[in-house]
Amino acid sequence: NAGVTQTPKFQVLKTGQSMTLQCAQDMNHNSMYWYRQDPGMGLRLIYYSASEGTTDKGEVPNGYNVSRLNKREFSLRLESAAPSQTSVYFCASSETGRVNEQFFGPGTRLTVL
Amino acid sequence: KNEVEQSPQNLTAQEGEFITINCSYSVGISALHWLQQHPGGGIVSLFMLSSGKKKHGRLIATINIQEKHSSLHITASHPRDSAVYICAVNGNQFYFGTGTSLTVIP
Repeated sequence: NAGVTQTPKFQVLKTGQSMTLQCAQDMNHNSMYWYRQDPGMGLRLIYYSASEGTTDKGEVPNGYNVSRLNKREFSLRLESAAPSQTSVYFCASSETGRVNEQFFGPGTRLTVL
Repeated sequence: KNEVEQSPQNLTAQEGEFITINCSYSVGISALHWLQQHPGGGIVSLFMLSSGKKKHGRLIATINIQEKHSSLHITASHPRDSAVYICAVNGNQFYFGTGTSLTVIP
């Protein structure tokens, strides 16, 4: 099992460009999450999907959109990237809800110039 | 406001030392997690606990629900334990601490 995979690992964008971060899990988990990690701050939840077909905003959703394409895949889209979105992005999954252990992807390091 | 506070922020230890990292939280929780983030960036779950104590190898995690406090202990520390250790709690949402950066010197 690959666990949670993310692509790309690194990305540099110019302000205003758009891109989609891809995430997939092969553990048959119901719930998936997108976090961002910034220096000096804990992981912050951007969006989550409790189950296939549902998505909800987290703590910092502005500037992002998500799609739960199927049970395996959960993508994060930046429609018009801003320098404030420079961060490391982590996707995670869990069996159901947040009570269960979360499994994290390797992260995507995004720089917006 | 920080729902989860960790201490210390940074910790340097000599190989073999006993290490303690503390986590205090201010919200009602259903579970507390200890995560390890390797220098390369990957995050792995070490423990999930809602009461008492858990042990895995040289790692021990304890939680006191009444005091809203948890500790992560590493016995006989080794340079490969060098990483950032993150405390996270399940409240009405997931809250993360800012992490404790541990360096173990040979």
